[in-house]
Amino acid sequence: GEDVEQSLFLSVREGDSSVINCTYTDSSSTYLYWYKQEPGAGLQLLTYIFSNMDMKQDQRLTVLLNKKDKHLSLRIADTQTGDSAIYFCAEKTTSGTYKYIFGTGTRLKVLA
Amino acid sequence: NAGVTQTPKFQVLKTGQSMTLQCAQDMNHNSMYWYRQDPGMGLRLIYYSASEGTTDKGEVPNGYNVSRLNKREFSLRLESAAPSQTSVYFCASSPGTVYNEQFFGPGTRLTVL
Repeated sequence: GEDVEQSLFLSVREGDSSVINCTYTDSSSTYLYWYKQEPGAGLQLLTYIFSNMDMKQDQRLTVLLNKKDKHLSLRIADTQTGDSAIYFCAEKTTSGTYKYIFGTGTRLKVLA
Repeated sequence: NAGVTQTPKFQVLKTGQSMTLQCAQDMNHNSMYWYRQDPGMGLRLIYYSASEGTTDKGEVPNGYNVSRLNKREFSLRLESAAPSQTSVYFCASSPGTVYNEQFFGPGTRLTVL
Protein backbone atom coordinates (compact mmCIF):
# COMPACT_ATOMS: atom_id res chain seq x y z
CA GLY A 1 0.00 0.00 0.00
CA GLU A 2 0.94 3.64 0.00
CA ASP A 3 3.44 4.65 2.62
CA VAL A 4 5.73 7.57 3.42
CA GLU A 5 8.69 6.96 5.71
CA GLN A 6 10.98 9.33 7.57
CA SER A 7 13.54 8.98 10.32
CA LEU A 8 12.17 10.20 13.66
CA PHE A 9 14.97 12.43 14.93
CA LEU A 10 17.77 14.67 13.67
CA SER A 11 20.10 16.82 15.72
CA VAL A 12 22.40 19.47 14.20
CA ARG A 13 24.50 22.39 15.42
CA GLU A 14 23.42 25.95 14.73
CA GLY A 15 24.93 27.17 11.46
CA ASP A 16 25.30 23.67 9.98
CA SER A 17 23.12 22.29 7.19
CA SER A 18 20.28 19.90 8.00
CA VAL A 19 19.13 17.20 5.61
CA ILE A 20 15.81 15.50 6.29
CA ASN A 21 15.02 12.45 4.18
CA CYS A 22 11.80 10.81 3.09
CA THR A 23 10.90 7.77 1.01
CA TYR A 24 7.52 7.18 -0.57
CA THR A 25 5.91 4.31 -2.40
CA ASP A 26 3.36 5.79 -4.82
CA SER A 27 5.32 6.28 -8.03
CA SER A 28 2.40 8.14 -9.58
CA SER A 29 2.37 10.91 -6.96
CA THR A 30 1.90 14.30 -8.56
CA TYR A 31 3.05 16.65 -5.82
CA LEU A 32 5.30 16.13 -2.82
CA TYR A 33 5.30 18.50 0.11
CA TRP A 34 7.28 19.50 3.16
CA TYR A 35 5.31 20.80 6.14
CA LYS A 36 6.69 22.23 9.39
CA GLN A 37 5.01 21.84 12.78
CA GLU A 38 6.13 24.04 15.66
CA PRO A 39 5.28 23.03 19.25
CA GLY A 40 1.57 23.26 20.02
CA ALA A 41 0.66 24.36 16.51
CA GLY A 42 -0.76 22.95 13.33
CA LEU A 43 1.26 22.17 10.22
CA GLN A 44 2.40 24.89 7.83
CA LEU A 45 3.46 24.31 4.25
CA LEU A 46 7.17 25.02 3.76
CA THR A 47 7.57 24.07 0.14
CA TYR A 48 6.38 21.62 -2.48
CA ILE A 49 7.77 20.06 -5.63
CA PHE A 50 6.02 18.83 -8.71
CA SER A 51 6.89 15.26 -9.61
CA ASN A 52 8.50 16.17 -12.95
CA MET A 53 11.13 18.33 -11.19
CA ASP A 54 14.44 17.16 -9.73
CA MET A 55 15.20 20.12 -7.53
CA LYS A 56 13.61 23.23 -6.12
CA GLN A 57 15.36 25.98 -4.19
CA ASP A 58 13.67 28.57 -2.01
CA GLN A 59 16.02 30.78 0.04
CA ARG A 60 17.60 28.46 2.65
CA LEU A 61 15.55 25.46 1.57
CA THR A 62 16.53 22.99 -1.16
CA VAL A 63 14.29 20.10 -2.11
CA LEU A 64 15.74 17.19 -4.06
CA LEU A 65 13.58 14.54 -5.70
CA ASN A 66 14.90 11.20 -6.97
CA LYS A 67 11.93 9.62 -8.70
CA LYS A 68 13.78 6.42 -9.55
CA ASP A 69 14.48 5.71 -5.87
CA LYS A 70 11.27 7.42 -4.67
CA HIS A 71 13.39 9.56 -2.36
CA LEU A 72 12.73 13.14 -1.32
CA SER A 73 15.00 15.30 0.80
CA LEU A 74 14.83 18.73 2.40
CA ARG A 75 18.06 20.60 3.01
CA ILE A 76 18.05 23.60 5.33
CA ALA A 77 21.17 25.73 4.96
CA ASP A 78 22.59 27.67 7.93
CA THR A 79 20.19 26.01 10.37
CA GLN A 80 18.95 28.28 13.16
CA THR A 81 17.42 27.50 16.56
CA GLY A 82 14.10 28.73 15.16
CA ASP A 83 14.18 25.82 12.72
CA SER A 84 13.70 23.37 15.59
CA ALA A 85 10.36 21.70 14.81
CA ILE A 86 8.84 18.54 13.36
CA TYR A 87 9.07 18.26 9.58
CA PHE A 88 6.55 16.18 7.66
CA CYS A 89 6.92 14.86 4.17
CA ALA A 90 3.62 14.29 2.32
CA GLU A 91 2.55 13.06 -1.07
CA LYS A 92 -0.57 13.76 -3.03
CA THR A 93 -1.61 10.44 -4.50
CA THR A 94 -3.49 9.79 -7.66
CA SER A 95 -5.88 7.36 -6.01
CA GLY A 96 -8.01 10.34 -5.05
CA THR A 97 -7.72 14.00 -5.88
CA TYR A 98 -7.96 14.92 -2.23
CA LYS A 99 -5.93 12.14 -0.70
CA TYR A 100 -2.65 12.91 0.98
CA ILE A 101 -0.28 10.55 2.73
CA PHE A 102 1.85 12.05 5.48
CA GLY A 103 5.07 10.64 6.86
CA THR A 104 5.68 10.11 10.56
CA GLY A 105 7.55 13.40 10.87
CA THR A 106 11.22 14.11 11.70
CA ARG A 107 11.90 16.04 14.88
CA LEU A 108 14.77 18.45 14.19
CA LYS A 109 16.68 19.73 17.19
CA VAL A 110 19.13 22.58 16.62
CA LEU A 111 21.87 22.89 19.23
CA ALA A 112 23.24 26.34 19.99
CA ASN B 1 -8.49 36.48 8.31
CA ALA B 2 -8.49 33.86 11.06
CA GLY B 3 -7.65 30.96 8.70
CA VAL B 4 -8.74 27.61 10.17
CA THR B 5 -10.12 27.68 13.70
CA GLN B 6 -10.88 24.70 15.93
CA THR B 7 -12.74 24.40 19.21
CA PRO B 8 -12.11 23.29 21.84
CA LYS B 9 -8.32 23.36 22.26
CA PHE B 10 -8.35 20.71 24.98
CA GLN B 11 -10.93 18.17 26.12
CA VAL B 12 -11.04 15.31 28.59
CA LEU B 13 -13.79 12.71 28.20
CA LYS B 14 -14.75 9.55 30.00
CA THR B 15 -15.14 6.35 28.01
CA GLY B 16 -18.58 6.25 26.40
CA GLN B 17 -19.16 10.00 26.39
CA SER B 18 -19.86 11.82 23.15
CA MET B 19 -18.61 15.12 21.83
CA THR B 20 -18.30 17.20 18.67
CA LEU B 21 -15.14 18.91 17.53
CA GLN B 22 -15.82 22.09 15.60
CA CYS B 23 -13.83 23.47 12.68
CA ALA B 24 -14.37 26.56 10.57
CA GLN B 25 -12.40 28.26 7.79
CA ASP B 26 -12.81 31.74 6.37
CA MET B 27 -10.75 31.29 3.18
CA ASN B 28 -13.65 30.14 0.97
CA HIS B 29 -11.96 26.77 0.48
CA ASN B 30 -13.84 23.93 -1.13
CA SER B 31 -12.17 21.01 0.65
CA MET B 32 -11.89 20.24 4.33
CA TYR B 33 -10.23 17.40 6.26
CA TRP B 34 -10.00 15.84 9.68
CA TYR B 35 -6.75 14.16 10.76
CA ARG B 36 -5.52 12.60 13.95
CA GLN B 37 -1.90 12.77 15.04
CA ASP B 38 -0.42 10.06 17.23
CA PRO B 39 3.21 9.76 18.35
CA GLY B 40 5.38 7.99 15.77
CA MET B 41 2.46 7.64 13.34
CA GLY B 42 2.29 10.97 11.60
CA LEU B 43 -1.08 12.27 10.47
CA ARG B 44 -3.83 9.90 9.51
CA LEU B 45 -6.89 11.02 7.58
CA ILE B 46 -10.19 10.34 9.33
CA TYR B 47 -12.70 11.93 6.92
CA TYR B 48 -12.63 14.56 4.25
CA SER B 49 -15.10 16.70 2.36
CA ALA B 50 -14.12 17.50 -1.21
CA SER B 51 -16.86 20.10 -1.50
CA GLU B 52 -19.93 21.33 0.33
CA GLY B 53 -22.48 18.54 0.57
CA THR B 54 -20.04 15.64 0.20
CA THR B 55 -18.04 13.64 2.72
CA ASP B 56 -15.82 10.58 2.32
CA LYS B 57 -14.00 8.18 4.59
CA GLY B 58 -10.29 8.41 5.01
CA GLU B 59 -7.84 5.93 6.44
CA VAL B 60 -9.25 5.62 9.99
CA PRO B 61 -12.98 6.51 10.01
CA ASN B 62 -14.26 3.95 12.54
CA GLY B 63 -15.78 5.53 15.63
CA TYR B 64 -16.25 8.93 14.00
CA ASN B 65 -18.90 10.80 12.05
CA VAL B 66 -18.67 14.11 10.24
CA SER B 67 -20.96 16.87 9.03
CA ARG B 68 -20.17 19.46 6.40
CA LEU B 69 -22.62 22.00 7.70
CA ASN B 70 -21.89 24.59 5.01
CA LYS B 71 -18.85 25.68 3.03
CA ARG B 72 -17.17 27.14 6.14
CA GLU B 73 -17.79 24.46 8.75
CA PHE B 74 -16.83 20.80 9.08
CA SER B 75 -17.47 19.03 12.39
CA LEU B 76 -16.21 15.72 13.74
CA ARG B 77 -18.33 13.71 16.17
CA LEU B 78 -17.30 10.96 18.54
CA GLU B 79 -20.49 9.12 19.48
CA SER B 80 -19.01 6.88 22.19
CA ALA B 81 -15.45 7.84 23.02
CA ALA B 82 -12.84 5.15 23.62
CA PRO B 83 -9.31 5.45 25.09
CA SER B 84 -7.93 4.56 21.62
CA GLN B 85 -9.30 7.90 20.43
CA THR B 86 -6.95 9.82 22.69
CA SER B 87 -5.03 11.91 20.18
CA VAL B 88 -4.47 15.38 18.76
CA TYR B 89 -7.05 16.20 16.10
CA PHE B 90 -6.33 18.60 13.27
CA CYS B 91 -8.75 20.14 10.85
CA ALA B 92 -7.42 21.39 7.51
CA SER B 93 -8.80 23.05 4.42
CA SER B 94 -7.57 23.45 0.87
CA PRO B 95 -8.72 25.48 -2.11
CA GLY B 96 -8.76 22.56 -4.55
CA THR B 97 -6.16 24.15 -6.84
CA VAL B 98 -3.63 22.08 -8.76
CA TYR B 99 -0.99 21.84 -6.04
CA ASN B 100 -3.63 22.06 -3.32
CA GLU B 101 -1.81 23.33 -0.25
CA GLN B 102 -3.53 22.38 2.98
CA PHE B 103 -4.02 24.95 5.73
CA PHE B 104 -4.18 23.53 9.22
CA GLY B 105 -5.92 24.60 12.39
CA PRO B 106 -4.10 24.68 15.75
CA GLY B 107 -5.44 21.28 16.85
CA THR B 108 -7.60 19.83 19.63
CA ARG B 109 -5.89 17.68 22.24
CA LEU B 110 -8.37 15.01 23.35
CA THR B 111 -7.88 12.61 26.23
CA VAL B 112 -10.32 9.76 26.82
CA LEU B 113 -10.08 8.17 30.26
